[in-house]
Amino acid sequence: EADIYQTPRYLVIGTGKKITLECSQTMGHDKMYWYQQDPGMELHLIHYSYGVNSTEKGDLSSESTVSRIRTEHFPLTLESARPSHTSQYLCASGRTGIGSPLHFGNGTRLTVT
Amino acid sequence: AQSVTQPDIHITVSEGASLELRCNYSYGATPYLFWYVQSPGQGLQLLLKYFSGDTLVQGIKGFEAEFKRSQSSFNLRKPSVHWSDAAEYFCAVGAGQAGTALIFGKGTTLSVSS
Repeated sequence: EADIYQTPRYLVIGTGKKITLECSQTMGHDKMYWYQQDPGMELHLIHYSYGVNSTEKGDLSSESTVSRIRTEHFPLTLESARPSHTSQYLCASGRTGIGSPLHFGNGTRLTVT
Repeated sequence: AQSVTQPDIHITVSEGASLELRCNYSYGATPYLFWYVQSPGQGLQLLLKYFSGDTLVQGIKGFEAEFKRSQSSFNLRKPSVHWSDAAEYFCAVGAGQAGTALIFGKGTTLSVSS
């Protein structure tokens, strides 16, 4: 079920450009997350939010920033893209509550040339 | 620190054969454990989860997993694999506030041969 949407699916962009990866969910979940996924590696948490106006950095250092102005929307922004940012970015959301599973979007595959 | 280890990077199984994917975790408290599957170009889909109670949990698509606290393991099994099961499988443990920030293993890629 596609109740969490990420756009664009694929993005190729030059070094130094500013980009925003969009993530929206229609399930009313309070909690939202951004993970970075590289081939053969575990998913790394880069940002999370437990509600509107709440954002925190995850375990993996990232030069990106996020905002949470509306419950359903959790965009990720890179002010100046670099080749090291080339990766897949997965957005997820979950309900408040112990052990609630996460629902994932289909991801954005970013290539910085 | 919490961690998840999936010892097998790649497994090939014949169609119709049984499957077991291994997962070991390190977590100080009662773990919340999950298995997700990812098909190429897609996001992660939840297969099953364990919180407490019965240590054998059933999931979607005919998968099951068994929690063994003494071995810190949560292995995924399926009695008969179908070609459509070829995908990448991730084990995860719940951590952080209320256990909702997931820590993932590196994944196991499953190939199915005919």
